[in-house]
Amino acid sequence: DTEVTQTPKHLVMGMTNKKSLKCEQHMGHRAMYWYKQKAKKPPELMFVYSYEKLSINESVPSRFSPECPNSSLLNLHLHALQPEDSALYLCASSQQSRSRGRKETQYFGPGTRLLVL
Amino acid sequence: DAKTTQPPSMDCAEGRAANLPCNHSTISGNEYVYWYRQIHSQGPQYIIHGLKNNETNEMASLIITEDRKSSTLILPHATLRDTAVYYCIVDSGGYQKVTFGIGTKLQVIP
Repeated sequence: DTEVTQTPKHLVMGMTNKKSLKCEQHMGHRAMYWYKQKAKKPPELMFVYSYEKLSINESVPSRFSPECPNSSLLNLHLHALQPEDSALYLCASSQQSRSRGRKETQYFGPGTRLLVL
Repeated sequence: DAKTTQPPSMDCAEGRAANLPCNHSTISGNEYVYWYRQIHSQGPQYIIHGLKNNETNEMASLIITEDRKSSTLILPHATLRDTAVYYCIVDSGGYQKVTFGIGTKLQVIP
């Protein structure tokens, strides 16, 4: 199973709502990632979890709150978002081999397309 | 961080080989070259990676020059399904940080 699943596929929310994006993988990967992708732009890294601990936060605003409840699940909690946060949110996972200098192959989910009104 | 330069767009006739170039003149000795692609409205998909030697898998071939300052991704027989944005990635920002550039938008034409 080389699949990363994300739910929901689409989400529309108001600026006062609280919602969560979910990501799941069953490949035994110990690193999981959140990316944000605006239209016609490349994906931008937001967060990295390594062995269920947050290892990278790319100065993401606190209205985005990641959570990794176990090695297979990754959530992104959303609160008080702005219209400019509308984007495709991508989850990815990788094996976490700890090999320095060598990039880990990342497996991406299909994304959640978020619209903030 | 090592940076990459790719042409913003390319066309390729269906059935022909698509050769996508990438310049990475500041690559360090232990950095790999990775290629991903993103078909419209989908998540990026890993294609291939290499360090020094040429690599081939079921999707593509990767040719890396001897000085490692550039590489070419080859799709031997492009199909319409290969229409996508192709990202060449060489990044010294840590083994977990993948920095996507603008990529090359490949259009396969019938």
